[in-house]
Amino acid sequence: GESVGLHLPTLSVQEGDNSIINCAYSNSASDYFIWYKQESGKGPQFIIDIRSNMDKRQGQRVTVLLNKTVKHLSLQIAATQPGDSAVYFCAEKKTGGSYIPTFGRGTSLIVHP
Amino acid sequence: KAGVTQTPRYLIKTRGQQVTLSCSPISGHRSVSWYQQTPGQGLQFLFEYFSETQRNKGNFPGRFSGRQFSNSRSEMNVSTLELGDSALYLCASSPQTGKGPYEQYFGPGTRLTVT
Repeated sequence: GESVGLHLPTLSVQEGDNSIINCAYSNSASDYFIWYKQESGKGPQFIIDIRSNMDKRQGQRVTVLLNKTVKHLSLQIAATQPGDSAVYFCAEKKTGGSYIPTFGRGTSLIVHP
Repeated sequence: KAGVTQTPRYLIKTRGQQVTLSCSPISGHRSVSWYQQTPGQGLQFLFEYFSETQRNKGNFPGRFSGRQFSNSRSEMNVSTLELGDSALYLCASSPQTGKGPYEQYFGPGTRLTVT
């Protein structure tokens, strides 16, 4: 069936390390992917997006990689800081479908000072 | 610009009651979407309104309804509350629908507890 899931529910890293959060999707018809960050007590916040015609996109300290062959998405955070501690969601949108994305379950990133 | 605001932030209701949640989108945004977030099911899409019309609907029972006003403010209603309706209800606004960018701006949510 169609699903967006995450490999690891919790990821613990040391401050300054690089973090990699993974996401698997099963719908090959998805053409747009988004990463959101949700801090405690707040709503999700857009981080970065990528279209299916790209395999890499970089932002400020973040990089998203898309591997359509294995239907895998990852979010890399460079020099992770305590403020990066949050739950990270990946979301997908299907080609030609509603623009409403389907969200994955989320990965909790814990950054230790 | 002010962000998306949701009221109330916290709510406690009894099973069988009904509840109305409110969302004010970012000024100029015409699309408002509602999501239910629970630890077990994650973020699930409820419905989306654009120019006072429901454009998209998720897989929720008819007890969940919504509407959008001419000023783009939106309300969602849950009737005959069940214990399983306890969740964080998130509202998200977007400047447009049907084409990119698809970025949504979320409010802080309303935490509903049903006892």
